[in-house]
Amino acid sequence: GIQVEQSPPDLILQEGANSTLRCNFSDSVNNLQWFHQNPWGQLINLFYIPSGTKQNGRLSATTVATERYSLLYISSSQTTDSGVYFCAAYSGAGSYQLTFGKGTKLSVIP
Amino acid sequence: DTAVSQTPKYLVTQMGNDKSIKCEQNLGHDTMYWYKQDSKKFLKIMFSYNNKELIINETVPNRFSPKSPDKAHLNLHINSLELGDSAVYFCASSRQQLGYTFGSGTRLTVV
Repeated sequence: GIQVEQSPPDLILQEGANSTLRCNFSDSVNNLQWFHQNPWGQLINLFYIPSGTKQNGRLSATTVATERYSLLYISSSQTTDSGVYFCAAYSGAGSYQLTFGKGTKLSVIP
Repeated sequence: DTAVSQTPKYLVTQMGNDKSIKCEQNLGHDTMYWYKQDSKKFLKIMFSYNNKELIINETVPNRFSPKSPDKAHLNLHINSLELGDSAVYFCASSRQQLGYTFGSGTRLTVV
């Protein structure tokens, strides 16, 4: 099956700083999603981005499917951005089961 | 509120017991899922189900069984609970690959 790798595993930022999280995947995908798990455990869907670039407020994501990677940009980070960011993908038709990366744990300090 | 809701939020039980976790979605989605998140935060698919097909991850023990009374519900039944089953279990739903929405999780502790 598809492999999803995320980097870095941990990231500490000062409030107001920018950051880039990376997701590499082993095979062609037709579904790439980013999720945020907040400190209370809730998983929130940030982006569905099989290719191209999307922006939502201070967050944006870019997927280059031909090179098998996706990037999540966080600008002007806030303490509420803390948590774990997951990249997830599936490669096949028929099943929409997601394979998750191990996540990037982000801590934003005031 | 439109959402994926699962109950209970916390479940503490003894080894060997049988337990169920309920999940309901009112989003009109056609596919529902169960994921397991271990102590290292790793999320892994257990099942996916729509009204046509159940897909079971081959690593899931047969003590775990999904039960779907209708397309808005996918409950998880676990027989003969073991210590290693302790984890957070998430229900999710989607309309094909879109709108993936997770429930708030059920923290299962087996003692």
